[in-house]
Order: sequence, then structure tokens, then C-alpha cells
Amino acid sequence: GESVGLHLPTLSVQEGDNSIINCAYSNSASDYFIWYKQESGKGPQFIIDIRSNMDKRQGQRVTVLLNKTVKHLSLQIAATQPGDSAVYFCAENRGYSTLTFGKGTMLLVSP
Amino acid sequence: DAGVIQSPRHEVTEMGQEVTLRCKPISGHNSLFWYRQTMMRGLELLIYFNNNVPIDDSGMPEDRFSAKMPNASFSTLKIQPSEPRDSAVYFCASSFGYETQYFGPGTRLLVL
Repeated sequence: GESVGLHLPTLSVQEGDNSIINCAYSNSASDYFIWYKQESGKGPQFIIDIRSNMDKRQGQRVTVLLNKTVKHLSLQIAATQPGDSAVYFCAENRGYSTLTFGKGTMLLVSP
Repeated sequence: DAGVIQSPRHEVTEMGQEVTLRCKPISGHNSLFWYRQTMMRGLELLIYFNNNVPIDDSGMPEDRFSAKMPNASFSTLKIQPSEPRDSAVYFCASSFGYETQYFGPGTRLLVL
């Protein structure tokens, strides 16, 4: 059938659960990674970043894990709240180049 | 501190009209990016500037699109003539160097 738009992967969780959003990146030479959150009607908002010399970084209620062996990035959100409902994008950067954004994952949090 | 400022926030225009979108980056940032976001194609990089110089405009859809950055605190994205398929949300983002980009609230463009 005809495509009507991006079919974003969707993660549905209950309030209070922990959420894990995954991202596969493409370039093994990428050395910097960022997670963005985009709420409806707003621009992407920086959440947390990690460099390739690290495999874990923690922020407030969020943790980013980097597995360079399989080129995988994940964002863990603890005690998910309805306000966390948004589309989450991972982005990668390699040296002096622009960010390459993933397609995004929609997180839906039910009260 | 003010974030990236974009204007207008909403624009409705008729096909064939000229549209100008404006952006003020975060003070001290030396890189500026213009993106377009649609349901069909997601977030697309149109053009970016470093120290006010256009570095890569390969994402600009066609000659109807042009962008300028006359100084470190102002950039414009112009569409002339506009077409219905240009309807999208246009984001401006800025950064220091090529790392974390901070996005503006976007301009929602509807071309009738």
C-alpha cells in the first residue's frame, strides 16, 4: 500500500516503569552520540550525550549506554512519567561533520 | 539565557509567494543548521554554516531554496516561489563546533 508517513517504532509503558529506547548507528567511526527528545509541537531538546571512549553515562533519571562492538546505543529512563511522552531521536557525529539523526522512537506513557 | 529564536512561528501562504524564515542562534555559537521535518521524510538537514560561511547546502531541495547568514547572530531561509510540497516544520539549530546542537521552536509553514 501507499506509505502515508514514517512509521515510528512505538514503546508504550505504564507510569513508574523503566523505559529503554534503542538505536542502532551506522558508522563505526562515529565518536559522539546524543539523545534528543521532541515533544509534540516543539523542537528537539538535548537530553544527554556520550563520547565513544565511554560506555555509560548517567543524568537525572536517564542513562545512556553505548556498545561499540555492535554499534548500539540505548537510552534508559527511570520511573517514566507522563511528561516523558515524546519522540526520542539518537544522533551520531564523527569528527568535523554534522550530526546524523535516527528516525526516532515514540514513547507513550500511560498514567 | 535565550535559546535559538525563530520567527515567524507559523506561516500560511499561497503557492507562488515568497517565504522568509528567520533565525537567531545562541550567542557564542559558531555553527548554524537549517532542518526540515515532515511526516514522510522525518528530520532533514538542508544547509549549515560555520562562522557565517555556508559549508554544505547539498540538502537544499532545489534552487527555490536559499539561505544566508550575514552575521553571527542572524540567518534567513528563503523559499521563492513556494509550493504546497514545501509545507513542513522548519527548524534552526546552533552549536559551538559540530557537537551538541540546540534547536529552536520551529516555523510551521503551510503553503496552500
